[in-house]
Amino acid sequence: DGGITQSPKYLFRKEGQNVTLSCEQNLNHDAMYWYRQDPGQGLRLIYYSQIVNDFQKGDIAEGYSVSREKKESFPLTVTSAQKNPTAFYLCASIQTGRATDTQYFGPGTRLTVL
Amino acid sequence: GQQVMQIPQYQHVQEGEDFTTYCNSSTTLSNIQWYKQRPGGHPVFLIQLVKSGEVKKQKRLTFQFGEAKKNSSLHITATQTTDVGTYFCAVANQAGTALIFGKGTTLSVSS
Repeated sequence: DGGITQSPKYLFRKEGQNVTLSCEQNLNHDAMYWYRQDPGQGLRLIYYSQIVNDFQKGDIAEGYSVSREKKESFPLTVTSAQKNPTAFYLCASIQTGRATDTQYFGPGTRLTVL
Repeated sequence: GQQVMQIPQYQHVQEGEDFTTYCNSSTTLSNIQWYKQRPGGHPVFLIQLVKSGEVKKQKRLTFQFGEAKKNSSLHITATQTTDVGTYFCAVANQAGTALIFGKGTTLSVSS
């Protein structure tokens, strides 16, 4: 069953703690993306990676970090430096990394920082 | 950077009425994509438009790309409760390596 998995679906953390969100894909896609979604804000790009061991900042990268050690995995760490981390986080992938390709999304992780 | 404005932000209709959402850019676009996100779900690709003046149809949904490739619209004829959700347009960033999403139009339908 091919697709993108994100775990967990719901995540609760205390303020000041770092937290890592998982994103795995078995579509053999080259590029992977992280978005943050807040009510009324649409999807805002955090980081993306077009190839293994390389990634670029999106529009709201501050307070986040990523790694791309394997093609199928692109974990996102929300650090304590992120001022307002409570949000819905979506991971996506594209086959070749060109923006003309279809973007496939995972089911998302809803992070709540208490 | 690349930006795209989407209006309206919210729209409520009675079942059977039509619905349209618009996406506008100040720059010429190479392509535009449309996605739908059901409540509690994740965005799902609907369609991509690449040619000036292009019109594509998917059952009750009609997608248009403006002649100047600076705007696009999604029109739903005779809405149904299954059309509920948020519709996003998305355009390529300047490098062509990522998508920039509009803020979306959230459609609610009452029966």
